[in-house]
Amino acid sequence: DAKTTQPNSMESNEEEPVHLPCNHSTISGTDYIHWYRQLPSQGPEYVIHGLTSNVNNRMASLAIAEDRKSSTLILHRATLRDAAVYYCILRDVSFNKFYFGSGTKLNVKP
Amino acid sequence: GAVVSQHPSWVICKSGTSVKIECRSLDFQATTMFWYRQFPKQSLMLMATSNEGSKATYEQGVEKDKFLINHASLTLSTLTVTSAHPEDSSFYICSARDSGTTNYGYTFGSGTRLTVV
Repeated sequence: DAKTTQPNSMESNEEEPVHLPCNHSTISGTDYIHWYRQLPSQGPEYVIHGLTSNVNNRMASLAIAEDRKSSTLILHRATLRDAAVYYCILRDVSFNKFYFGSGTKLNVKP
Repeated sequence: GAVVSQHPSWVICKSGTSVKIECRSLDFQATTMFWYRQFPKQSLMLMATSNEGSKATYEQGVEKDKFLINHASLTLSTLTVTSAHPEDSSFYICSARDSGTTNYGYTFGSGTRLTVV
Protein backbone atom coordinates (compact mmCIF):
# COMPACT_ATOMS: atom_id res chain seq x y z
CA ASP A 1 0.00 0.00 0.00
CA ALA A 2 1.29 3.41 -0.98
CA LYS A 3 2.22 5.74 1.86
CA THR A 4 1.45 9.36 2.45
CA THR A 5 3.35 11.91 4.51
CA GLN A 6 1.64 14.83 6.19
CA PRO A 7 2.72 17.38 8.79
CA ASN A 8 1.61 16.38 12.26
CA SER A 9 -0.15 19.65 12.93
CA MET A 10 -0.98 23.02 11.43
CA GLU A 11 -2.59 26.16 12.71
CA SER A 12 -4.77 28.66 10.96
CA ASN A 13 -6.73 31.77 11.76
CA GLU A 14 -10.45 31.79 11.29
CA GLU A 15 -11.66 33.14 7.93
CA GLU A 16 -8.25 32.63 6.34
CA PRO A 17 -7.35 30.02 3.70
CA VAL A 18 -5.56 26.86 4.76
CA HIS A 19 -3.30 24.74 2.59
CA LEU A 20 -2.77 21.22 3.89
CA PRO A 21 0.06 19.41 2.09
CA CYS A 22 0.49 15.71 1.45
CA ASN A 23 3.42 13.88 -0.10
CA HIS A 24 2.88 10.56 -1.84
CA SER A 25 6.03 9.96 -3.84
CA THR A 26 5.33 6.24 -4.37
CA ILE A 27 1.89 6.76 -5.83
CA SER A 28 1.01 4.49 -8.73
CA GLY A 29 -0.77 5.59 -11.88
CA THR A 30 -4.12 4.17 -10.78
CA ASP A 31 -4.15 5.36 -7.17
CA TYR A 32 -6.83 7.90 -6.33
CA ILE A 33 -6.05 10.61 -3.79
CA HIS A 34 -8.71 10.94 -1.11
CA TRP A 35 -9.02 13.40 1.75
CA TYR A 36 -11.06 12.75 4.85
CA ARG A 37 -11.33 14.58 8.13
CA GLN A 38 -12.16 13.34 11.59
CA LEU A 39 -13.56 15.20 14.55
CA PRO A 40 -12.92 13.79 18.05
CA SER A 41 -14.90 10.63 18.80
CA GLN A 42 -16.46 10.57 15.35
CA GLY A 43 -15.92 8.59 12.19
CA PRO A 44 -14.02 10.17 9.30
CA GLU A 45 -15.95 12.42 6.95
CA TYR A 46 -15.35 12.55 3.21
CA VAL A 47 -13.88 15.82 1.99
CA ILE A 48 -12.73 15.38 -1.60
CA HIS A 49 -10.92 13.05 -3.95
CA GLY A 50 -9.19 13.17 -7.34
CA LEU A 51 -6.96 11.31 -9.74
CA THR A 52 -5.00 13.74 -11.89
CA SER A 53 -6.88 17.00 -12.32
CA ASN A 54 -7.58 19.59 -9.65
CA VAL A 55 -10.99 19.21 -8.06
CA ASN A 56 -13.39 21.59 -6.38
CA ASN A 57 -16.45 20.96 -4.27
CA ARG A 58 -18.46 22.86 -1.71
CA MET A 59 -16.12 21.89 1.10
CA ALA A 60 -12.67 22.33 -0.39
CA SER A 61 -10.36 22.23 -3.37
CA LEU A 62 -7.77 19.63 -4.18
CA ALA A 63 -4.65 20.63 -6.06
CA ILE A 64 -2.66 17.73 -7.48
CA ALA A 65 0.91 18.15 -8.63
CA GLU A 66 1.64 17.40 -12.25
CA ASP A 67 3.79 14.39 -11.32
CA ARG A 68 1.13 13.33 -8.77
CA LYS A 69 3.74 12.92 -6.07
CA SER A 70 2.10 15.49 -3.87
CA SER A 71 -1.23 17.16 -3.36
CA THR A 72 -2.69 20.02 -1.34
CA LEU A 73 -6.07 20.30 0.27
CA ILE A 74 -7.28 23.88 0.27
CA LEU A 75 -9.90 25.17 2.67
CA HIS A 76 -10.75 28.59 1.30
CA ARG A 77 -11.99 30.16 4.52
CA ALA A 78 -11.32 28.20 7.66
CA THR A 79 -13.97 28.16 10.34
CA LEU A 80 -13.80 26.83 13.88
CA ARG A 81 -15.81 23.81 12.71
CA ASP A 82 -12.96 22.90 10.36
CA ALA A 83 -10.71 22.05 13.29
CA ALA A 84 -10.11 18.31 12.85
CA VAL A 85 -7.54 15.72 11.85
CA TYR A 86 -7.20 15.66 8.07
CA TYR A 87 -6.14 12.45 6.39
CA CYS A 88 -4.67 12.16 2.92
CA ILE A 89 -5.20 8.62 1.65
CA LEU A 90 -4.29 6.75 -1.50
CA ARG A 91 -6.89 4.30 -2.72
CA ASP A 92 -5.59 1.32 -4.64
CA VAL A 93 -8.12 0.87 -7.44
CA SER A 94 -7.45 -2.86 -7.46
CA PHE A 95 -8.25 -3.48 -3.82
CA ASN A 96 -10.36 -0.44 -2.96
CA LYS A 97 -8.93 -0.31 0.53
CA PHE A 98 -8.06 2.72 2.60
CA TYR A 99 -4.91 2.74 4.67
CA PHE A 100 -4.80 5.78 6.89
CA GLY A 101 -1.60 7.66 7.59
CA SER A 102 -1.02 9.77 10.66
CA GLY A 103 -2.91 12.81 9.36
CA THR A 104 -2.60 16.53 10.10
CA LYS A 105 -4.29 17.99 13.12
CA LEU A 106 -5.64 21.38 12.10
CA ASN A 107 -6.19 23.94 14.81
CA VAL A 108 -8.24 27.01 13.89
CA LYS A 109 -7.82 30.08 16.02
CA PRO A 110 -10.66 32.57 16.40
CA GLY B 1 -26.17 11.35 0.95
CA ALA B 2 -25.09 7.87 1.95
CA VAL B 3 -25.39 7.06 5.65
CA VAL B 4 -23.68 4.32 7.63
CA SER B 5 -25.04 3.58 11.06
CA GLN B 6 -23.13 1.84 13.82
CA HIS B 7 -24.62 0.34 16.93
CA PRO B 8 -23.97 0.62 19.77
CA SER B 9 -22.13 3.93 19.94
CA TRP B 10 -20.46 2.81 23.14
CA VAL B 11 -20.33 -0.37 25.18
CA ILE B 12 -18.71 -1.52 28.39
CA CYS B 13 -18.18 -5.22 28.90
CA LYS B 14 -16.47 -7.51 31.35
CA SER B 15 -13.23 -9.21 30.49
CA GLY B 16 -13.83 -12.60 28.91
CA THR B 17 -17.20 -11.78 27.39
CA SER B 18 -18.02 -11.18 23.73
CA VAL B 19 -19.37 -8.00 22.18
CA LYS B 20 -21.13 -7.57 18.85
CA ILE B 21 -20.98 -4.32 16.88
CA GLU B 22 -23.35 -3.69 13.98
CA CYS B 23 -22.69 -1.64 10.88
CA ARG B 24 -25.60 -0.82 8.60
CA SER B 25 -25.78 1.04 5.32
CA LEU B 26 -29.09 2.85 5.63
CA ASP B 27 -29.89 4.00 2.12
CA PHE B 28 -27.62 1.99 -0.12
CA GLN B 29 -26.31 -1.49 -0.70
CA ALA B 30 -22.75 -2.35 0.15
CA THR B 31 -21.15 -5.56 -1.03
CA THR B 32 -18.02 -4.58 0.82
CA MET B 33 -17.57 -2.99 4.19
CA PHE B 34 -14.41 -2.30 6.13
CA TRP B 35 -13.62 -2.44 9.82
CA TYR B 36 -11.07 -0.23 11.52
CA ARG B 37 -9.95 0.35 15.04
CA GLN B 38 -8.41 3.43 16.50
CA PHE B 39 -6.51 3.82 19.76
CA PRO B 40 -6.41 7.20 21.50
CA LYS B 41 -4.41 9.83 19.63
CA GLN B 42 -3.60 7.37 16.88
CA SER B 43 -4.77 6.94 13.32
CA LEU B 44 -7.24 4.39 12.05
CA MET B 45 -5.93 0.91 11.47
CA LEU B 46 -7.64 -1.28 8.90
CA MET B 47 -8.58 -4.60 10.48
CA ALA B 48 -10.53 -6.45 7.83
CA THR B 49 -12.62 -6.32 4.69
CA SER B 50 -16.11 -7.66 5.05
CA ASN B 51 -17.56 -9.24 1.91
CA GLU B 52 -21.27 -9.94 1.54
CA GLY B 53 -21.93 -13.65 1.31
CA SER B 54 -18.34 -14.73 1.74
CA LYS B 55 -15.56 -14.82 4.29
CA ALA B 56 -13.93 -11.66 5.48
CA THR B 57 -10.32 -10.98 4.62
CA TYR B 58 -8.13 -9.86 7.49
CA GLU B 59 -5.12 -7.61 7.53
CA GLN B 60 -1.82 -9.04 8.63
CA GLY B 61 -1.60 -9.36 12.38
CA VAL B 62 -5.35 -9.29 13.02
CA GLU B 63 -6.66 -12.46 14.66
CA LYS B 64 -9.66 -13.69 12.71
CA ASP B 65 -10.80 -15.96 15.54
CA LYS B 66 -10.83 -13.02 17.90
CA PHE B 67 -12.58 -10.56 15.62
CA LEU B 68 -15.41 -12.44 13.93
CA ILE B 69 -16.99 -10.69 10.97
CA ASN B 70 -20.29 -11.60 9.39
CA HIS B 71 -21.72 -9.85 6.32
CA ALA B 72 -25.00 -11.65 5.82
CA SER B 73 -26.82 -9.02 3.79
CA LEU B 74 -26.06 -6.11 1.50
CA THR B 75 -26.80 -3.64 4.27
CA LEU B 76 -25.41 -5.24 7.42
CA SER B 77 -21.99 -6.31 8.64
CA THR B 78 -21.23 -7.29 12.21
CA LEU B 79 -17.98 -7.42 14.13
CA THR B 80 -17.86 -9.63 17.21
CA VAL B 81 -14.99 -9.19 19.63
CA THR B 82 -14.71 -12.56 21.31
CA SER B 83 -13.31 -13.12 24.77
CA ALA B 84 -12.62 -9.43 25.10
CA HIS B 85 -9.71 -8.21 27.22
CA PRO B 86 -8.79 -4.71 28.36
CA GLU B 87 -6.29 -4.38 25.51
CA ASP B 88 -9.21 -4.69 23.08
CA SER B 89 -10.60 -1.44 24.41
CA SER B 90 -10.63 0.87 21.43
CA PHE B 91 -12.75 2.90 19.03
CA TYR B 92 -14.12 0.63 16.28
CA ILE B 93 -15.25 2.20 13.02
CA CYS B 94 -16.82 0.69 9.92
CA SER B 95 -17.06 2.09 6.42
CA ALA B 96 -18.86 1.22 3.21
CA ARG B 97 -19.20 2.35 -0.36
CA ASP B 98 -22.39 2.43 -2.37
CA SER B 99 -22.01 -0.50 -4.77
CA GLY B 100 -24.51 1.01 -7.14
CA THR B 101 -22.61 4.16 -8.02
CA THR B 102 -19.26 5.15 -9.44
CA ASN B 103 -18.69 7.57 -6.60
CA TYR B 104 -15.60 6.34 -4.87
CA GLY B 105 -16.19 8.22 -1.67
CA TYR B 106 -16.46 5.89 1.29
CA THR B 107 -18.90 6.61 4.07
CA PHE B 108 -17.85 5.94 7.63
CA GLY B 109 -19.97 5.11 10.62
CA SER B 110 -19.81 7.23 13.74
CA GLY B 111 -17.83 4.59 15.59
CA THR B 112 -18.26 2.35 18.64
CA ARG B 113 -16.27 3.00 21.77
CA LEU B 114 -15.53 -0.36 23.45
CA THR B 115 -14.29 -0.44 27.02
CA VAL B 116 -13.37 -3.80 28.53
CA VAL B 117 -13.15 -3.85 32.31
